[in-house]
Amino acid sequence: GENVEQHPSTLSVQEGDSAVIKCTYSDSASNYFPWYKQELGKRPQLIIDIRSNVGEKKDQRIAVTLNKTAKHFSLHITETQPEDSAVYFCAARKAAGNKLTFGGGTRVLVKP
Amino acid sequence: DTAVSQTPKYLVTQMGNDKSIKCEQNLGHDTMYWYKQDSKKFLKIMFSYNNKELIINETVPNRFSPKSPDKAHLNLHINSLELGDSAVYFCASTSETLTGAGYTFGSGTRLTVV
Repeated sequence: GENVEQHPSTLSVQEGDSAVIKCTYSDSASNYFPWYKQELGKRPQLIIDIRSNVGEKKDQRIAVTLNKTAKHFSLHITETQPEDSAVYFCAARKAAGNKLTFGGGTRVLVKP
Repeated sequence: DTAVSQTPKYLVTQMGNDKSIKCEQNLGHDTMYWYKQDSKKFLKIMFSYNNKELIINETVPNRFSPKSPDKAHLNLHINSLELGDSAVYFCASTSETLTGAGYTFGSGTRLTVV
C-alpha cells in the first residue's frame, strides 16, 4: 500500500522567515495530495491541495509543489506568523474510493 | 450548522467497558471514515464506508465495529476497552463524486481508558 514519509518532524522558525515541509510517497498511482493544519486540541483542516496534473499551486502565503517523477511534494509557508504554529500533515491518495494516507506530521513553531 | 459532528467530545471509561462514538455529517458526502490519532499525533485510518457499505477495513482488532445506518452517519462501537485504545478518534467525510472535495474532519473524540 501507499507509504508517506514527512520531514522534518519538528521545525522552529523565526517570525517572518519561510518554512518548508517535504513529503515523499511510494505509490506512483497516487494523484491527490492535500495538506492539513492541526492546531492544538483541534481537528485537522485542509489548507491546500494539489492534483497530479499540476506542478505548483499557491494560495496567499502558502504554496505546494509536486514532483511526480521523484514522487515528492512540499509545502512552503512564507512570511510566517505566530498563528502558523501547528502540526502540519501531508497526505496522498489514489483514485476516488481509496484511503488518504497521512505522513507523520511536522510540528511547526513560529517564534515571535 | 457544524459540517461533521462527533459525540461525545471526551470519553473517560474503565478497562473492559463497551462504548460508542457517534458521527454525523450534513455535507451530503457519500463517504465517511474513522481515523485514530495516537499520542505521537500519527493519523491512522481504521474504516471507510461509502454509501453505507464498508470499503476499507484496516488491521483493527475486531473489538472495534463500525456501523453506518445511512450515508450521513457512521458510528464506532468498541467492546472490552483496553488501555491502548486511549487516543483521539476522528471522523471524516468526503464526496467521491464531487471533484475537488477534500476530507472534512469532525472535532474528535478524546478517549481515555483507565
